[in-house]
Parts: sequence; C-alpha cells; structure tokens
Amino acid sequence: GAVVSQHPSRVICKSGTSVKIECRSLDFQATTMFWYRQFPKQSLMLMATSNEGSKATYEQGVEKDKFLINHASLTLSTLTVTSAHPEDSSFYICSGLGGSGTEAFFGQGTRLTVV
Amino acid sequence: AQSVTQLDSHVSVSEGTPVLLRCNYSSSYSPSLFWYVQHPNKGLQLLLKYTSAATLVKGINGFEAEFKKSETSFHLTKPSAHMSDAAEYFCVVSGVGNDMRFGAGTRLTVKP
Repeated sequence: GAVVSQHPSRVICKSGTSVKIECRSLDFQATTMFWYRQFPKQSLMLMATSNEGSKATYEQGVEKDKFLINHASLTLSTLTVTSAHPEDSSFYICSGLGGSGTEAFFGQGTRLTVV
Repeated sequence: AQSVTQLDSHVSVSEGTPVLLRCNYSSSYSPSLFWYVQHPNKGLQLLLKYTSAATLVKGINGFEAEFKKSETSFHLTKPSAHMSDAAEYFCVVSGVGNDMRFGAGTRLTVKP
C-alpha cells in the first residue's frame, strides 16, 4: 500500500509554545488529508479535513485558531498546535486519501506531551 | 452522516478459539467499510476493506468480514485466535466525503 510518513513520532514541549507536525505522502499524491486525535484508550476523533490549496474544514468543537492546518502541496500537510497546554497532550494521526479515493493511508502518529 | 457502532468494548477469547468483533454501520449512501488494528503505542494497520465488491472480504492474518446490508453489519471474524492478535480493533466507515469515521474500538484479549 501507499506510505504516509508522519514526523516527529514523539515530541515534548513546554506549555505556551507551538509544535508543528508534518505528514507526507511518499509515493502518491494526497489531494485530501485528514487529521485525527486519539486520547488514551479511546478512539480516533476526526479533527479536520484539508484539501490541497484550500482552507481546512474543522469538525465541530475543534478550535481552528489553535490547530492550524496547512496543505500547501499534494504531498505535505502540517498541523501546528499553537500555545500548547497540557490538555493538548494526545496522539495525533494523519491520513492521506489516495488516487483511488476509497482508502486513506495513515501515518504512524505523533505523541505530543505538553509539560 | 455516516457512523459505526462497535457493540463490544472488550472481547476476551482463548488462544485457538474463534474471534467475533461486531460492528454496525449507519450511512445514507453505499458505504465503504474498513477494519483497522492498533497494537499498543503503534500506528494503524488495515486488516481489510469493503468497497461494494464481494460481500465477504478476506483480509490479512486470517481475518475476514461479511457485509450484510439487511442487517447493516460488518462483523470481523477469525477462526482461531493467536496471542499476537491481542490489540485494539476499529471499525471505520467512509462516506461520500471520503472522511473516515471510527468506531469506539474493541479491545481484544487473547488468553493462553
């Protein structure tokens, strides 16, 4: 299957700082990328959907000014957690929608810890 | 809008016995359905997917699932559980917008 590379896999940051997470589709063009958040022992919750070259669509309850999503190219989307707080600590996972349009390929996830 | 309900939060089986993880879906359109597995502190791995072809779908590691439109179900089965199958399993539905909605997950425990 297609490969999505997510970086970094783990990050620890101080409260009040910003953190950027990258999601790259290595061998396909992802016109659509999705960002998810997973709390411990819980399911993945869709945060936002981004289409290349346009503004992301955020799910209800997700602060767009806090979770900045950029999808400037067909192979790269970034999620920036701004002014991070301990409650933002979570597992963040991206996925890219491949050419067939029926299956999304997931990154390995980023574990964010805000101290 | 589409959604999935995983009927069991936790399933425990003995090694060598069958596995059944239940999933019901709700969708206004003909859905695509998936099962993913997540091992502790790992990413997601696709087990199998249904995209309106054969209703019985075979996946990796001996898993299979049957799409039953009349029951709006997509249950995951395996004839014989292995210790390495212990993990969290997610049923996922994808709709018109191709956004994938996850079920709450089922934690599978395999006893020796």
